[in-house]
Amino acid sequence: SQQGEEDPQALSIQEGENATMNCSYKTSINNLQWYRQNSGRGLVHLILIRSNEREKHSGRLRVTLDTSKKSSSLLITASRAADTASYFCATDAGGGSNYKLTFGKGTLLTVNP
Amino acid sequence: ETGVTQTPRHLVMGMTNKKSLKCEQHLGHNAMYWYKQSAKKPLELMFVYNFKEQTENNSVPSRFSPECPNSSHLFLHLHTLQPEDSALYLCASSQVQSYNEQFFGPGTRLTVL
Repeated sequence: SQQGEEDPQALSIQEGENATMNCSYKTSINNLQWYRQNSGRGLVHLILIRSNEREKHSGRLRVTLDTSKKSSSLLITASRAADTASYFCATDAGGGSNYKLTFGKGTLLTVNP
Repeated sequence: ETGVTQTPRHLVMGMTNKKSLKCEQHLGHNAMYWYKQSAKKPLELMFVYNFKEQTENNSVPSRFSPECPNSSHLFLHLHTLQPEDSALYLCASSQVQSYNEQFFGPGTRLTVL
């Protein structure tokens, strides 16, 4: 069954605003990752948060993880037109299969100049 | 994207053709992956190779045949495909012993006529 599911499916904002995307998952995990994909291109790893972490920052990115609710959020602050892309959360299978990631359908973010 | 390269970038083939997709990683990783990305669907894991050994075959039809001759190269051999196999095929690599951040290639856009 699908592990990660992003919400909303699409988000349109103005440059300079903040963008928040959410991810929910079903089973226990070792870590949760966020990836970005520009149209028709490969995915680019953004940030990884381990199951024992609650918050992590990287530049304009802030990720939170709530394992009790099985959810994560990705916040992009002061958005730019170049942030326009699809954003995916990915969870590992836990246990001995932590090399296997399951991706959600993604959130399409459009940042208007 | 230079860490993981994929060729060709675009491929159009008939249902009776045989073709191969190639992936090469220059990152010294020990795991490689094939994913299929179709419109409106989550990224689907197809095959996983750890240390050149196939460890995952996610119920993929036999018309897709992977090959991993060494830890740097991964092929996906295609034959008698169907139009519904048209999609973006993504290759990725990772270091299994790490937290499994995956590095993706740019993908091959496959169209089956």
